[in-house]
Amino acid sequence: DSGVTQTPKHLITATGQRVTLRCSPRSGDLSVYWYQQSLDQGLQFLIQYYNGEERAKGNILERFSAQQFPDLHSELNLSSLELGDSALYFCASSGWNEQFFGPGTRLTVL
Amino acid sequence: KNEVEQSPQNLTAQEGEFITINCSYSVGISALHWLQQHPGGGIVSLFMLSSGKKKHGRLIATINIQEKHSSLHITASHPRDSAVYICAVGLPQFNYQLIWGAGTKLIIKP
Repeated sequence: DSGVTQTPKHLITATGQRVTLRCSPRSGDLSVYWYQQSLDQGLQFLIQYYNGEERAKGNILERFSAQQFPDLHSELNLSSLELGDSALYFCASSGWNEQFFGPGTRLTVL
Repeated sequence: KNEVEQSPQNLTAQEGEFITINCSYSVGISALHWLQQHPGGGIVSLFMLSSGKKKHGRLIATINIQEKHSSLHITASHPRDSAVYICAVGLPQFNYQLIWGAGTKLIIKP
């Protein structure tokens, strides 16, 4: 158990809809990272937050947004969903250098 | 050219064989990570190293900073080692944002 939790574990929705994925980092970790892993593809870095502020942005679509709250949990919002958004979404938190991964949310867009 | 290259892409071996997975990178790094992703999707951090060699059970990871190369070795491989092994490098100037290799899919046959 990495100490990072993600909810929900699975999410099935339709094209055009909006969903919110939630991540709670390990106790004491200030950084949260979001990654997308599409079918048969490697992990793609989406965005990083550090202590409530956006720190780095990767290949995140404009339809996607994220935030980190004062209690350090983070939410990734995906809107106007398309079939191609179906993927595993991981969050990770980090202390010093090492990242610890949550179990992921499997999103299926029908 | 990708900044992180892994080889081989796929590896099938018999139980008991010695396994080597290679990772080469082209950027300056703060640390290199080896991670394991099981068929269910969960990601586990195996090693984080910035120099030398680390060992954990049957797993050994080495890194040569001058040559920008790392290897992950598995001794006495077992079918439960079947997974995707991912190399990722942390960039010192980007708050440990990771750049990911494409992964090596390892299958160990009994």
